[in-house]
Amino acid sequence: EPEVTQTPSHQVTQMGQEVILRCVPISNHLYFYWYRQILGQKVEFLVSFYNNEISEKSEIFDDQFSVERPDGSNFTLKIRSTKLEDSAMYFCASRIQGPAAEAFFGQGTRLTVV
Amino acid sequence: AQSVTQPDIHITVSEGASLELRCNYSYGATPYLFWYVQSPGQGLQLLLKYFSGDTLVQGIKGFEAEFKRSQSSFNLRKPSVHWSDAAEYFCAVGAGNAGNMLTFGGGTRLMVKP
Repeated sequence: EPEVTQTPSHQVTQMGQEVILRCVPISNHLYFYWYRQILGQKVEFLVSFYNNEISEKSEIFDDQFSVERPDGSNFTLKIRSTKLEDSAMYFCASRIQGPAAEAFFGQGTRLTVV
Repeated sequence: AQSVTQPDIHITVSEGASLELRCNYSYGATPYLFWYVQSPGQGLQLLLKYFSGDTLVQGIKGFEAEFKRSQSSFNLRKPSVHWSDAAEYFCAVGAGNAGNMLTFGGGTRLMVKP
C-alpha cells in the first residue's frame, strides 16, 4: 500500500539552527501539507501546497518557515532559525485531487530544539 | 472559523464493551468530517469520513460514526472494543478551499482494560 514517508524520525537541533524536514508524498497525489503537534496539544495545520505554490497557510506559518518541492518526489519544510517552542511532532500529509479525498499522513518527525 | 471539540480527554473501557467517542464541530457550511487514529509512535490513520449522503458511515476496524447536523456532532462508535483499539482518536473537520485543510479536535485517549 502506498504511504507517505518522512525523514528523519527524530531530530535534535540547537536553538537558532536551521532544520529541514523531509517528506515523500504518495506519488500520484497533488496536495501536500504540513501539520504539527506540540506535546499534549492538538494537531495544528501549518501549510498546504498545490501546483508548486502555497495554497493556504496558518498564522503559525510565519517567515521562519518555508516549504519546497525541489523535485518530483520530495516535499520539505524548512525552519530557518529554530526556537524552543518549535519542538513538536511534524506530520506531512498528501491528498489526491478533490474535496472528497482523504489526506494520508506520514509517521511524523519529532523535532527537539535544545 | 471552524473548530472541533472532543469533550473526553481520556476514556477507559473493558475489552468487549461498546464504545462511543464524542465529537462536536463548528463550521458554517456543510462539513467534511473525519476520524483518525494514532497508535503510539505511529502516524495518523484514517478510520472513516463523511462528506454527504447517508449520515451513518462505516469505517475500518469495525468503527462507525453518525453525522447529526442538528447537534453538530459526529460521534464515533464501536460495538465491541478490542485491546488493540487502545490509541488516541482525533476528530477533524475539513475546511478552507474545498475541504483543503483539516482542523483537529484535541483527541481522546482510549485505554482498554482486559
